[in-house]
Amino acid sequence: DADVTQTPRNRITKTGKRIMLECSQTKGHDRMYWYRQDPGLGLRLIYYSFDVKDINKGEISDGYSVSRQAQAKFSLSLESAIPNQTALYFCATSDPGLAGGSYNEQFFGPGTRLTVL
Amino acid sequence: KQEVTQIPAALSVPEGENLVLNCSFTDSAIYNLQWFRQDPGKGLTSLLLIQSSQREQTSGRLNASLDKSSGRSTLYIAASQPGDSATYLCAVIGSGNTGKLIFGQGTTLQVKP
Repeated sequence: DADVTQTPRNRITKTGKRIMLECSQTKGHDRMYWYRQDPGLGLRLIYYSFDVKDINKGEISDGYSVSRQAQAKFSLSLESAIPNQTALYFCATSDPGLAGGSYNEQFFGPGTRLTVL
Repeated sequence: KQEVTQIPAALSVPEGENLVLNCSFTDSAIYNLQWFRQDPGKGLTSLLLIQSSQREQTSGRLNASLDKSSGRSTLYIAASQPGDSATYLCAVIGSGNTGKLIFGQGTTLQVKP
């Protein structure tokens, strides 16, 4: 079973619709992240969370919101989708490495391909 | 502002060749550097992570080196195989260990049989 799962894997929606992308992890990591990937622009950080009560904006948070429902779950919402939010979205997790020696290695989910028409 | 650059953007080699992928970063104050592999339309698979205090890491046919002072990392792939064809991404985390990865644009590798 995958350690980091994302649902849905593919989604086509229309401009103005509200969309939620979900991420779950079984790695027991406190830190979770949302990235988007665009051709020519690479991967960019949208939001990140160090624990359930600690949520931070990333490089490109405008138009997005997040919810950390539990240690294992981190959701990304597009309140009113627009076409330039068409992208591949990735969730990732990490352990900060304070005790486990993992030094914040990040593990990614399979991605959600979102198309906004 | 940290910027990560990968050269070349694309590379095509015959099977069996040893090859080197390059990654450079503008701010040498990093916490770690991570190399990933991405297959078309797929997620990212972590290949190697180098802590800021380390010079290299090895996993099978892969060897990654880090020279913080010059802002460079290389990923060496020995005896390349068609199954190595993918996009390789490098990413760094700043010295504060905020966890925020800054990615390069990637090198797309094709290994021809």
